[in-house]
Amino acid sequence: SYELTQPPSVSVSPGQTARITCSGDALPKQYVYWYQQKRGQAPLMIIYKDIERPSGIPERFSGSSSGTTVTLTISGVQAEDEADYYCQSGDRSASYVRVFGGGTKLTVL
Amino acid sequence: QVQLVESGGGVVQPGRSLRLSCAASGFSFSDHSMHWVRQAPGKGLEWVAVIWYDGTNEHYVDSVRGRFTISRDNSKKTLDLQLNSLRAEDTALYYCARDSNDQGDAFDLWGQGTMVTVSS
Repeated sequence: SYELTQPPSVSVSPGQTARITCSGDALPKQYVYWYQQKRGQAPLMIIYKDIERPSGIPERFSGSSSGTTVTLTISGVQAEDEADYYCQSGDRSASYVRVFGGGTKLTVL
Repeated sequence: QVQLVESGGGVVQPGRSLRLSCAASGFSFSDHSMHWVRQAPGKGLEWVAVIWYDGTNEHYVDSVRGRFTISRDNSKKTLDLQLNSLRAEDTALYYCARDSNDQGDAFDLWGQGTMVTVSS
């Protein structure tokens, strides 16, 4: 089955930039979506179609794509950004079959 | 208010069945395909199943195919998941999620989840 690979954890100090990667061999042909999940809460979509930001999501969250890797960048990290972050895409052969990355725990030091 | 509210979770013995429901409100339910996504305790998100907006098609992750059945009633604005032959590894928080119509393959609305615990 198709897999998306994320680093298990990323740590940054407040005000610094955090980058979380998501890798998959079908990503040049499939969009990636990013979700933020804070403790005890449902996931919240923060980036769609690799680089687009839904209304209401702070500008410090951005996405980029290069080949088989997509990156979520959080500029000027704030304490409230501490959460788990998941990337998601569609299966390479059937986009209605969805796949999540394993998740990245962002720790704000 | 635009929201999804899941119900039906509980503690069940291995091999038994459970039926989860998700009630939608505040949006045109029949315009959206709908999904179930689960999260085992302390683990990541796992997509489980999808049903087309009109109920004509459904797909499952390999680990639940043949045991789980997704269904919907557009007149009642409800989404269901029938869980049969439950296993310990099905223990998870089950979310229903809305398929976005204008943001690609995104899940743009989530419920708060209902917990299923499979244990003897």
